[in-house]
Amino acid sequence: GNSVTQMEGPVTLSEEAFLTINCTYTATGYPSLFWYVQYPGEGLQLLLKATKADDKGSNKGFEATYRKETTSFHLEKGSVQVSDSAVYFCALGGATNKLIFGTGTLLAVQP
Amino acid sequence: GAGVSQSPSNKVTEKGKDVELRCDPISGHTALYWYRQSLGQGLEFLIYFQGNSAPDKSGLPSDRFSAERTGGSVSTLTIQRTQQEDSAVYLCASSLEVLGGYTDTQYFGPGTRLTVL
Repeated sequence: GNSVTQMEGPVTLSEEAFLTINCTYTATGYPSLFWYVQYPGEGLQLLLKATKADDKGSNKGFEATYRKETTSFHLEKGSVQVSDSAVYFCALGGATNKLIFGTGTLLAVQP
Repeated sequence: GAGVSQSPSNKVTEKGKDVELRCDPISGHTALYWYRQSLGQGLEFLIYFQGNSAPDKSGLPSDRFSAERTGGSVSTLTIQRTQQEDSAVYLCASSLEVLGGYTDTQYFGPGTRLTVL
């Protein structure tokens, strides 16, 4: 069945460091791919998405490219801020429209 | 506009009692989803509604769990005879109608934190 494997955390970085959170998936067909973010004490928010191979999703300085050949959708940001501290979830949109989530990666950015 | 709302925000109940959780989706969103977030299991899909029908109930963990949606809008998730392992945050999401198998963006509510004593 469809599944998402996400880099385990926590990830601790200093402000202005480069961020990569790895995400790979297993799926039949051509799923949509998403990154959601959960800030402390808040609900899940969509960060970015990509709906087909080679699409790049981007938002708030974060980027992820849908790579069909490596079945990956890694999240990157060139310079993180303290305000980026949150839990990040990679997700796959399956044939029945439900989202299948990775386990989440806690990012802590220190000043 | 208004986002997805859920009530109550917190619910504490005793083992064996029934609980009802409510979700109000974004106006005009025909698709509605319930998920559960717990420490041990992460984020799990429970059920999906398209309009008032539920074509995918595959995530409901037992027959103690049921959900309904009326008028293509509000949904209620009911847990009967609650158990301690039901303690979790229950999340609702909604999206526009899905066409051609394309999963549209799901917008999540703030969740209901359920604690079963």
